[in-house]
Amino acid sequence: DSGVTQTPKHLITATGQRVTLRCSPRSGDLSVYWYQQSLDQGLQFLIHYYNGEERAKGNILERFSAQQFPDLHSELNLSSLELGDSALYFCASSVAAVSTGELFFGEGSRLTVL
Amino acid sequence: SQQGEEDPQALSIQEGENATMNCSYKTSINNLQWYRQNSGRGLVHLILIRSNEREKHSGRLRVTLDTSKKSSSLLITASRAADTASYFCATDAGSSYKLIFGSGTRLLVRP
Repeated sequence: DSGVTQTPKHLITATGQRVTLRCSPRSGDLSVYWYQQSLDQGLQFLIHYYNGEERAKGNILERFSAQQFPDLHSELNLSSLELGDSALYFCASSVAAVSTGELFFGEGSRLTVL
Repeated sequence: SQQGEEDPQALSIQEGENATMNCSYKTSINNLQWYRQNSGRGLVHLILIRSNEREKHSGRLRVTLDTSKKSSSLLITASRAADTASYFCATDAGSSYKLIFGSGTRLLVRP
């Protein structure tokens, strides 16, 4: 158990809908990273937050947004969903502000868009 | 696009044999990490090697880093069926705030 909690574990929804994925980092970790893993794209970096502030953006679509709250949990919002958004979404946390140390991954949220 | 590319994409070996996976990356880095992922599960950190290090060991794992060739290798010695998983390299791509993963090597260890 990494100590990172992601909910929901599974989510099935329709095209055009909006979903929110939630991540609670390990106790004491201030950094949260979001990744998307689909079969044909590998593990894609989406965004990194540290202590409530955005630190880096990757290949995150405009239809996606994220935030980190004062209690350090983070949410990834996916809107106007398309079939291609079906993927595993991972959250990872670390204590450091920079990506020079180990990340601890949650078990992921599996999103299926029908 | 991916920062790192693993080679081979898939590897099948017999239990007891050694497994070697390679990772090549494109930009300068501060460090390189290796992670393991069991099917559909979260990634687990294995080892981190800094840009000024050339080799690192952890149990049955040996990692090398050649910054002049922008490449790293992960060696798993005396493999076990439980080592069956996907293995990913990850680098900061010189960013400090990103960790970019390669496409992974799928390792199958046959009992």
